[in-house]
Parts: sequence; structure tokens; C-alpha cells
Amino acid sequence: AQSVTQPDIHITVSEGASLELRCNYSYGATPYLFWYVQSPGQGLQLLLKYFSGDTLVQGIKGFEAEFKRSQSSFNLRKPSVHWSDAAEYFCAVDQPNAGGTSYGKLTFGQGTILTVHP
Amino acid sequence: ETGVTQSPTHLIKTRGQQVTLRCSSQSGHNTVSWYQQALGQGPQFIFQYYREEENGRGNFPPRFSGLQFPNYSSELNVNALELDDSALYLCASSDRYNEQFFGPGTRLTVL
Repeated sequence: AQSVTQPDIHITVSEGASLELRCNYSYGATPYLFWYVQSPGQGLQLLLKYFSGDTLVQGIKGFEAEFKRSQSSFNLRKPSVHWSDAAEYFCAVDQPNAGGTSYGKLTFGQGTILTVHP
Repeated sequence: ETGVTQSPTHLIKTRGQQVTLRCSSQSGHNTVSWYQQALGQGPQFIFQYYREEENGRGNFPPRFSGLQFPNYSSELNVNALELDDSALYLCASSDRYNEQFFGPGTRLTVL
């Protein structure tokens, strides 16, 4: 069974500082990988996804993530954090299907809450 | 283009009761997935519906059931509510295997 671990429950950074949120997955092959963000009272918004190809993936709001097969990791980064980035971030995996896309039956990590200090 | 909507926003029930949550998928989407998000946890996959048929189920008991209608909207039904069913219930719609778009969720409290 696939699983996702986000080791950091809560991270605090200063505005303008760089950010890295960690994600490790367990899966027999290369899964499809996602990062979502959830603001209070909101649903989940997709930041970026990795299916194949270039292991450095660019997303919305200035976020990027790097897939490292040898470490089973898919860490999320941002060079300079803004106060509006404060939210909860979820890493998720899905099985690839024969058509080359995601089944849409995601397994999520526990989430990392990001606090941004002015 | 209308996004994914869910109703109601909040709901309070007592143990043993039954509840129905509703989801309107985004225009053009034929697949709806439901997730349960307990407080402090990540969402857990409940089941998925594709063109009115269940298309996969997570580790949830049969008292969690669903429907998808010809317009691709969906319902999640939970019978015999338990305290642990208190959670945010999210639905996500997609065009088959493409990107999922999540609704804002329904907050269910079971007393």
C-alpha cells in the first residue's frame, strides 16, 4: 500500500525567508506526486504535480518541487515566502494508470502547517 | 465556469443518525471523488464515482455509501453516525483522469 510522510507538523519562517517542506513516500514504483495547499475554511488547491520527465517541477505562486527517486522524496520549495503563503500544505501520491495519468484516488500525508512571521 | 460546490457548509448530528452530503461537480466533469479529513489529519479517500458507477473505494465501512446522478452531481450518505465520523468531507471533481478540483467541504459534527 502506498503511504506519504510529512515529517514536519508545523514550520515557522520569517517573511522573505526560503522554505522547504519535506515529503517522503512509499510506493513500489514511481507514483504520481502532488502538492496541495489548504487555507482555513477552504478546499484544497493544487500547487504542482509530477508525473514524469524533468524531476524539478514548477508550480503556481512561485513554488517548485524536486522528485528524488533515490530518496523517495518530493520536497516543496519556495525561495522567498510571503505572508499570504501561511496555510496548511499536503503532499499526496496516486498510482499511475495505463493511460499515463492519475486515477484520482489520492493518498495524502498528514500535512504541514506553515506560519509566516512578519 | 462554476467550480465545485458542496452543501451544506456545516452540519450537526447525533450518534446513530443518518446524514446526506451533496456535491455539484464542475461543468464538464464526469468523475467525483469523496474524501474525509479528520481534524489535524490529511484527507482520506472514501470512494470515487465515474458516470454514475462506483469506481474504487477506500478503507471505509459499508455505512458510507454514495450516488452519482446523470448530471454528475453526487451524494455521500453516512448511516449510523459515530463520533469518529466528525470531520470535514471534501469532494473533488475531474474529467476522468485529469486534475481534480476540490470543493470547500462540509464540516460534520457528531454529538
